[in-house]
Amino acid sequence: DQQVKQNSPSLSVQEGRISILNCDYTNSMFDYFLWYKKYPAEGPTFLISISSIKDKNEDGRFTVFLNKSAKHLSLHIVPSQPGDSAVYFCAASGNAGGTSYGKLTFGQGTILTVHP
Amino acid sequence: NAGVTQTPKFQVLKTGQSMTLQCAQDMNHNSMYWYRQDPGMGLRLIYYSASEGTTDKGEVPNGYNVSRLNKREFSLRLESAAPSQTSVYFCASRRPGGRYGYTFGSGTRLTVV
Repeated sequence: DQQVKQNSPSLSVQEGRISILNCDYTNSMFDYFLWYKKYPAEGPTFLISISSIKDKNEDGRFTVFLNKSAKHLSLHIVPSQPGDSAVYFCAASGNAGGTSYGKLTFGQGTILTVHP
Repeated sequence: NAGVTQTPKFQVLKTGQSMTLQCAQDMNHNSMYWYRQDPGMGLRLIYYSASEGTTDKGEVPNGYNVSRLNKREFSLRLESAAPSQTSVYFCASRRPGGRYGYTFGSGTRLTVV
């Protein structure tokens, strides 16, 4: 039972354009969502996060949107750069006291390729 | 540099052999985790340790054991390796109160033949 799903295995965009990566979740106990970026032969690194009390969080070129009613979040990268080419993982965590608190449940990942 | 150190980086095992993957962090984090990454599956939690002296099963614990040796070190042991355990293994640690403060190691690529 995949509680966090990234249905697009890959995405290809042109440099300077917007990249939109999507993520869906099924567990209503999740209340904190994160995006991680992973380069080959390296561990994932934290990119941006959002709490369920918000619907948007921005950090420079990266914006995460959360739609709780649809159990959907997305990561927007504007403008996209070739150095953004990596695997992006969506992850979710549950609230304090819940069984998923402090543990991250990851999606399958989306390979982003940004062409010069 | 401060962070999470995993050894070895690569390993090839024969079916039935045993080995221990080592992980150490120098950030004084309480919680430590072992994940495996497989194509199309994302990262799945094998075991975790919320604090020194405690360990708990994650999503896919079968075939593995762990030891939280001290606050710094959290090892993962395969007692009898199987081809299904071919994967990339990541260790991570999390600072107290930091719901997003996961720091990952660079991974161990394990092949079981």
